[in-house]
Amino acid sequence: AQKITQTQPGMFVQEKEAVTLDCTYDTSDQSYGLFWYKQPSSGEMIFLIYQGSYDEQNATEGRYSLNFQKARKSANLVISASQLGDSAMYFCAMRVGGYSTLTFGKGTMLLVSP
Amino acid sequence: DTGVSQDPRHKITKRGQNVTFRCDPISEHNRLYWYRQTLGQGPEFLTYFQNEAQLEKSRLLSDRFSAERPKGSFSTLEIQRTEQGDSAMYLCASRPGQGFSYNEQFFGPGTRLTVL
Repeated sequence: AQKITQTQPGMFVQEKEAVTLDCTYDTSDQSYGLFWYKQPSSGEMIFLIYQGSYDEQNATEGRYSLNFQKARKSANLVISASQLGDSAMYFCAMRVGGYSTLTFGKGTMLLVSP
Repeated sequence: DTGVSQDPRHKITKRGQNVTFRCDPISEHNRLYWYRQTLGQGPEFLTYFQNEAQLEKSRLLSDRFSAERPKGSFSTLEIQRTEQGDSAMYLCASRPGQGFSYNEQFFGPGTRLTVL
């Protein structure tokens, strides 16, 4: 069975600072994908970044980067230069199976203060 | 707007009533997913369509739940004889079969169901 664990229920960061959101995963598959989504209070899930299990380079998308450590089964999200608009729930997810359904963690609430 | 749309955005119903939600995916996406998100949790997979075929269903999808995707375009999710435990956000997502955004699932705004 696949599982995503996010151990930080909430994180606080000051504006312009960097923050790391933790994610560990468990799967016996060799081929899988890891995602991070942002969910603001409006409820919509916004895709941030994707890392494939065979990708050798860590994924980056603007201020977002994914610190992929395959041996440790971790896929931490790093947000550089936090902005007030980054305050939201963040979910780590894993693509499983041939139909690519997503298994999500419980999320981390990020609050960015001025 | 070319994103995934869902209707209604909010639904309040009494226990025992039937409800139906609609999802319109991005037009060129042939893959469609339904998820349920309860308070304080991440979304949980319910069911998956490829074109009009329902190819996977979660154990969460009890006999009271049914989903369709006629003609491989929009999809509906019906809950019969609603229970208070059905109160949740129901999210729809779509994905292309190939191409640049192949890996990403694009989510709609969700339908928030409250069962009184």
